Amino acid sequence: GAVVSQHPSRVICKSGTSVKIECRSLDFQATTMFWYRQFPKQSLMLMATSNEGSKATYEQGVEKDKFLINHASLTLSTLTVTSAHPEDSSFYICSARDRRGAGGYTFGSGTRLTVV
Amino acid sequence: AQKITQTQPGMFVQEKEAVTLDCTYDTSDQSYGLFWYKQPSSGEMIFLIYQGSYDEQNATEGRYSLNFQKARKSANLVISASQLGDSAMYFCAMRARGGNQFYFGTGTSLTVIP
Repeated sequence: GAVVSQHPSRVICKSGTSVKIECRSLDFQATTMFWYRQFPKQSLMLMATSNEGSKATYEQGVEKDKFLINHASLTLSTLTVTSAHPEDSSFYICSARDRRGAGGYTFGSGTRLTVV
Repeated sequence: AQKITQTQPGMFVQEKEAVTLDCTYDTSDQSYGLFWYKQPSSGEMIFLIYQGSYDEQNATEGRYSLNFQKARKSANLVISASQLGDSAMYFCAMRARGGNQFYFGTGTSLTVIP
């Protein structure tokens, strides 16, 4: 089945630094990937839609200058949290569309970001 | 606007028993898909089952079945013969047909008791 690899699984960074999270589709090409954010004991909220070769589409209220998304190839999308602050600490999870798979969408394993 | 409601923040079930996790939804779309995902403590989202709004039969995938009642706008997940490994968060989600965005419910934490 379709596999989406997300790296790193956990990261701790100092306030003010930037963190890059990678999302790779391992056995399929993903022209569209999605980035979600999940606070503890809450649901997933879509942050942005990442389109290969074009600019990402951000949801209302998501700062595009803070959460930089790059989808440079058909198998890789990156989310960079710039100038991270403690309130950015959260669980970030990506998803990619694979029409072959049941349900059509596969999620990565997530990244737990802690900003200290 | 789409909205998913899961009214059970936590559920307990005895091992080998069946359990139903509730999900209701609200949408003005005529064509949509309903999904259930399992999220263990490790965090990954595991796809369980899918139901299309025009599917006449309830979806089944092994021990998982979806009790789809379109008129009531409900899509409850039934897990039969619960196992200890079923303990996790369960999310109901909806996506409009042709759209990409998922709308998730707030989740139900299921604990299977030995």
